[in-house]
Amino acid sequence: NAGVTQTPKFQVLKTGQSMTLQCAQDMNHEYMSWYRQDPGMGLRLIHYSVGAGITDQGEVPNGYNVSRSTTEDFPLRLLSAAPSQTSVYFCASSYGAGVNYNYGYTFGSGTRLTVV
Amino acid sequence: GESVGLHLPTLSVQEGDNSIINCAYSNSASDYFIWYKQESGKGPQFIIDIRSNMDKRQGQRVTVLLNKTVKHLSLQIAATQPGDSAVYFCAEILYNQGGKLIFGQGTELSVKP
Repeated sequence: NAGVTQTPKFQVLKTGQSMTLQCAQDMNHEYMSWYRQDPGMGLRLIHYSVGAGITDQGEVPNGYNVSRSTTEDFPLRLLSAAPSQTSVYFCASSYGAGVNYNYGYTFGSGTRLTVV
Repeated sequence: GESVGLHLPTLSVQEGDNSIINCAYSNSASDYFIWYKQESGKGPQFIIDIRSNMDKRQGQRVTVLLNKTVKHLSLQIAATQPGDSAVYFCAEILYNQGGKLIFGQGTELSVKP
């Protein structure tokens, strides 16, 4: 049981390049989310998903796309990287909203992205 | 609006003392709150949670208090240890918005030996 796995751990992009941050979980969690964390700040929600085929925008969705074709995977795509997207990105998953569920989200170890 | 914020950005305590970290939230519809601990270079780690139908919940050396009247929750850490040094975030799950998890600003706890 690996939990939430994020790849890559580090990435440097040039302005205008595109890339996909990968996130996979093996806990059969329905809910998955992407956050970004800037220095000295909290985590801000980018996009989230309550199940395969369902995604929605969070607090800061601009410049990012997501899809959820399987329960296990929730990739985050940067369409045209900008220096303002330099940040640490965290993926998280949870069982979801059910009476007997543990609602706490489990987080991956993060991807540190630098856009130059 | 929906926001979860913390009163103090930093907190320094002596080893062995008790720590209290505070958090204010604004969404009266929030039904579930979580405290996370984040160590440097790592992802947030679940500490303890509390539902809105409770006002207190205890774990191992940690207690969370919820005051819905003033929309305030706190995390108490007993006998604080150097290993407790980290940033602590409160977060809420918004059931009326698809169950998304929203974080507060964070408090950095520093434990002096």
